[in-house]
Amino acid sequence: QSVLAQPPSASGTPGQRVTISCSGSSSNIGSNYVYWYQQFPGTAPRLLIYRNNQRPPGVPDRFSGSKSGTSASLAISGLRSEDEADYYCAAWDDSLSGLVVFGGGTKLTAL
Amino acid sequence: EVQLVESGGGLVQPGGSLKLSCAASGFTFSGSAMHWVRQAPGKGLESIGRIRSKANSYATVYAASVKGRFTISRDDSKKTVYLQMNNLTIEDTAVYYCTRPNGNLPEGFDPWGQGTLVTVSS
Repeated sequence: QSVLAQPPSASGTPGQRVTISCSGSSSNIGSNYVYWYQQFPGTAPRLLIYRNNQRPPGVPDRFSGSKSGTSASLAISGLRSEDEADYYCAAWDDSLSGLVVFGGGTKLTAL
Repeated sequence: EVQLVESGGGLVQPGGSLKLSCAASGFTFSGSAMHWVRQAPGKGLESIGRIRSKANSYATVYAASVKGRFTISRDDSKKTVYLQMNNLTIEDTAVYYCTRPNGNLPEGFDPWGQGTLVTVSS
């Protein structure tokens, strides 16, 4: 049972805008930044969004993040087939003395 | 190039021990906290522990699921962080990744190692 709650799956047609939600609590999302990771099968996760809505170099601006209260969301606009992957939200948790908590992951399918 | 390379995974019997290594390059390892994250087959990511830098007294913290069984250590001269795993159970079967908070992308985990698979089975 993951600390942060995500829907197990999401889908959209190419070109569509898709959002993935992430729900936490006051000790994690409510008081800390949210991060998003992208993971393709058999590979390590990759940082996609940091500090709620910042993109690392090389991440397309089709990916955007937002946060409100104890929830966050990842939006992917202009969905492409190559965006099919697992997406994880994460946040530092004040009750865990320096550990990050993750969501259970959302498998994104481009129909 | 900033890189992390894990090694040491393999097959171990329940109750056994294993020590993983993570070799770093391309950044100031001694000044960086290092984290271990695992992923059970078909499951999500789980943060299992962290070790801070010498400046922060090499402080460690562990997830409840591994506390008392796993120990994280580091050798700054070798730019390597270790994960000693004792009293392993079937539930510890997972790919183990090392990663670090990137000060340039505060404080996202970047990069990640390629992962090393630990299988606990009789």
